[in-house]
Amino acid sequence: SYELTQPPSVSVSPGQTARITCSGDALPKQYAYWYQQKPGQAPMLVIYKDTERPSGIPERFSGSSSGTIVTLTISGVQAEDEADYYCQSADSSETRVVFGGGTKLTVL
Amino acid sequence: QVQLVESGGGVVQPGRSLRLSCAASGFTFSSYAMHWVRQAPGKGLEWVALLSHDGSNKYYADSVKGRFTISRDTSKNTLYLQMSSLRAEDTAVYYCAREVPVPVGASPRRYFDYWGQGTLVTVSS
Repeated sequence: SYELTQPPSVSVSPGQTARITCSGDALPKQYAYWYQQKPGQAPMLVIYKDTERPSGIPERFSGSSSGTIVTLTISGVQAEDEADYYCQSADSSETRVVFGGGTKLTVL
Repeated sequence: QVQLVESGGGVVQPGRSLRLSCAASGFTFSSYAMHWVRQAPGKGLEWVALLSHDGSNKYYADSVKGRFTISRDTSKNTLYLQMSSLRAEDTAVYYCAREVPVPVGASPRRYFDYWGQGTLVTVSS
């Protein structure tokens, strides 16, 4: 079965750069998407198609891809960025959606 | 504006059934693929089911296949999730989510631009 692997937690100080990775065997062929989820809220899309940023998402959020690893980068982290972040993709037949286990970003 | 509002959650005994609803507004419901995603307390997101934009294809996670059924009523702009043979491990907040549209004839892009606020299902005796 298709799996996506994320680190459970990442911690950074305000103003620093946070990088959250997501690995999966199918990522070279399938796009990855990133969601931010704050406590008690529904997830919100922050990156789509590996590197694209939806309108309204701050420029400090960016995505990159290299082989089986995609990375969400948050430059100049702010306290409001503290949240859980999930990567997501689909299998090659587009019949199953997969989420990574999630990464808790802590702003120290 | 796009709105998705889930309802139907509650406490249910193991082995029983429950039907969730997701009322959609602000967009042409019949033109979009829709999904259910769940999140167990303190855990991550888990995809549950997909209904294609034309309603002709339904896909399920292995964990719910044969027990859950996704459907819709386009006259009511409502998505459903019929859950049967419920287990303790089905306890979660259930979200409905709209799939991002693609041009006619293009391959689907299985990701989500709008989510509801979720409805909590607790399976317990």
